[in-house]
Amino acid sequence: QKEVEQNSGPLSVPEGAIASLNCTYSDRGSQSFFWYRQYSGKSPELIMSIYSNGDKEDGRFTAQLNKASQYVSLLIRDSQPSDSATYLCAVNGGGSQGNLIFGKGTKLSVKP
Amino acid sequence: DARVTQTPRHKVTEMGQEVTMRCQPILGHNTVFWYRQTMMQGLELLAYFRNRAPLDDSGMPKDRFSAEMPDATLATLKIQPSEPRDSAVYFCASGLGYRGDEQYFGPGTRLTVT
Repeated sequence: QKEVEQNSGPLSVPEGAIASLNCTYSDRGSQSFFWYRQYSGKSPELIMSIYSNGDKEDGRFTAQLNKASQYVSLLIRDSQPSDSATYLCAVNGGGSQGNLIFGKGTKLSVKP
Repeated sequence: DARVTQTPRHKVTEMGQEVTMRCQPILGHNTVFWYRQTMMQGLELLAYFRNRAPLDDSGMPKDRFSAEMPDATLATLKIQPSEPRDSAVYFCASGLGYRGDEQYFGPGTRLTVT
């Protein structure tokens, strides 16, 4: 069974610090990786996608991918209280079907 | 402003009743996904469609759940009969359905079965 693992947290960081969220996946054939943010009571919102090894930066967010280690991470620089949410890692389910496998999410709390 | 819409947003029903949830995918997206989210299980894929054809419904209890796409602008998820263990938030998402493509979620239907 294909799995995506995340530390459930909560991860607590002070305002202005770097938050580091990690994810591992089991299927070596996975090609596409996503990070979603979910505020309490809301739906998941896509914030980053990454397809190649290395780093991808978008504003305060950096996604990092290491396919050899089957590891994806999300760094949030200058964390703000508004970043407090659950972050879901998602990996494509293989083949060409387009389905995603989600981790259970890491809850991030940014303290003012 | 392209977004996925879902109705109803909230539904409270009694055990044994039929529940129908509706989803309108983003215009031009050809793949629709139904998910269920609970605290215990997280986000689970129930079924998905491409070009209105069902591709996989293995995540769905077949005896009581059914999913259809009557046309390109409407997907439905039906539970009959509903049970208290079906209480969850049901999300619809749409995308272009290729291996690398992103999915965009609707606001969800919060279902409570008493």
